[in-house]
This record gives sequence, structure tokens and C-alpha cells, in this order.
Amino acid sequence: GQNIDQPTEMTATEGAIVQINCTYQTSGFNGLFWYQQHAGEAPTFLSYNVLDGLEEKGRFSSFLSRSKGYSYLLLKELQMKDSASYLCAVRDRGGATNKLIFGTGTLLAVQP
Amino acid sequence: DAGVTQSPTHLIKTRGQQVTLRCSPKSGHDTVSWYQQALGQGPQFIFQYYEEEERQRGNFPDRFSGHQFPNYSSELNVNALLLGDSALYLCASSLREEYNEQFFGPGTRLTVL
Repeated sequence: GQNIDQPTEMTATEGAIVQINCTYQTSGFNGLFWYQQHAGEAPTFLSYNVLDGLEEKGRFSSFLSRSKGYSYLLLKELQMKDSASYLCAVRDRGGATNKLIFGTGTLLAVQP
Repeated sequence: DAGVTQSPTHLIKTRGQQVTLRCSPKSGHDTVSWYQQALGQGPQFIFQYYEEEERQRGNFPDRFSGHQFPNYSSELNVNALLLGDSALYLCASSLREEYNEQFFGPGTRLTVL
């Protein structure tokens, strides 16, 4: 079966650091993606991990452990505009190279 | 360079009706995927088109069908609409040889009454 779990909601303070966790159990694995989605808008790409380890991109970092089926997204120096839903998605190894299986998303609220 | 565009932005239909949603991929992209996103949920894969053919399909009934045109644009058709079809429909485009990133369009918000 396909299962991706992430917390439903999180709250953090402006300027702080927040870590959003994602665990997955999928029949195939060909990379893990993080997307940011503001209310009523399209998801926008944040990061991609296919090998174990940490990928850093500015204020955002993403970590992957394939043996544990685990990833996290780390957001530093939080800003009010970071309030959004963060989607974890696994690319299936199936026939369509770009089929993504999404979690339900983590709604992050950044408070002053 | 225009990104992924979708039309219409919003749509209201009644049960039993049929709807067609349209998507133009990002310039240079040849692969289009469609997703359904219910309120408070993550996007669910409907199907993917490449070279004008459906390449893979998610767990959606045959009421959902699609098409890809020679210019890579795509349509999603839904027949016999149900209340549960109310959702945001997202189109994502990518280049088949470089599949590390999909670009999503703004979506079409479909409401079925």
C-alpha cells in the first residue's frame, strides 16, 4: 500500500526554526519532494531528495533516510509569509516517471 | 516565459453534468499530469499524458478521461458529475527526460451542486 504521514498542523514563531516530519511507506521509491502551497494557490517546488542526507537551499533544508522511510523539511529564520501548507510527496517507481503520491499536508502557522 | 496555465479558474456545475478543464504546460514541457485536491487534503494523481497517450492512471473511475494535443496542451473531462467531484483540479507539467521537478498550474476550482 501507499501511505505518507505528516502532522496536520504546526505553529511556530517568527524568526524561529521549525522541522516538519514525513514518514512514508510506498511500493516503490524514486525520490521525495517537498512543496509549499499557500491557500487557494498552486503547490510550488521546494526541494528534492533521492539519496540519503541533507539538501540545503537558502532558509530551507530537507533530509532523507531511505532505510527509515523518513524525511523532514527544516525552515530557518521563519517569516510570516512562510505560513502555508507543506506537502511531502513520493515519486512512485511505476510506469509514469512523474507520478507523485502526496501526504495530506502540514498547515504551518507562523505567529509574530 | 509563461508557466502552466489552466482554464477556467472557477466552475460551478450540477450533479450529472459534464465538465472540461484545460491546461497549457510550461513552454518546452511535453508531459502533463492531472491531480485532484479535495479541501484539506493533498493532491491525488488522476493520470498522466505524454506523446498524446495516457501513460498511467490513478484510482479514478472511467468518468474521468483526458486528452493531450500535438502542442502538448491537455484536457480533463469528467462525466456524470457527483457532489464528491468538488475539488481543486491541478495540472502539472514536466519534461520527460528531466523529471526532478513538476510545475503546477493555479488550478481550476470545481463546485458541484
